[in-house]
Amino acid sequence: QVQLVQSGSEVRKPGSAVKISCKASGGSFNGYSINWVRQAPGQGLEWMGDIVPVFAIPNYAQKFQGRVTITLDESTSTAYMELTSLRSEDTAVYFCARDYSVKAPFFEFWGQGTLVTVSS
Amino acid sequence: EIVLTQSPGTLSLSPGERVTLSCRASQSITSGYLAWYQQKPGQAPRLLMFGASNRATGIPDRFSGSGSGTDFTLAISRLEPGDFALYYCQQYDTAPWTFGQGTKLEIK
Repeated sequence: QVQLVQSGSEVRKPGSAVKISCKASGGSFNGYSINWVRQAPGQGLEWMGDIVPVFAIPNYAQKFQGRVTITLDESTSTAYMELTSLRSEDTAVYFCARDYSVKAPFFEFWGQGTLVTVSS
Repeated sequence: EIVLTQSPGTLSLSPGERVTLSCRASQSITSGYLAWYQQKPGQAPRLLMFGASNRATGIPDRFSGSGSGTDFTLAISRLEPGDFALYYCQQYDTAPWTFGQGTKLEIK
């Protein structure tokens, strides 16, 4: 059973950047895309982008284009999401989630979430 | 992008009752590429349904999904205390994958 373990909470100042990790324990990503989904306090879920293993090709939601970078280190089964030019509205819990299977971008396996707080 | 609108925003029901949650898409979702999730406070979402009507692993048959095109439904029969949570739908027909704003199921 795949477990996704994320890095811990972060506090950042406006204008700075944050990089969050997501490590697959109990196995690799098995060729399935890793997605990043965020949830602002009291709000719904928002898909930010994903990355396809093997090819390491990222896809980003247009809203985050230019500010988000998703990368993958397959040697350590770890995915990363970096968000730059942070603003207070980026305060949220950020989840990684694995595609259910190839070309099935819904999510059975989730990380525990990483709280990012953006505050001056 | 496809906008998903869930209704109602909040439902107040009692254990043992049956409930139906609605998810409406701004454009047709082909092949029923719609999933449902349950989320409890402080937890990651839990996959309930995919392909509109397929239960995920370990999901009891009290949960059922239906719908096609732009209108989808999640039904829960015989509500149990653990069912009171937030529910989200998600479409995976057209990128970017989008979620509904959620329906909160609370105990009456």
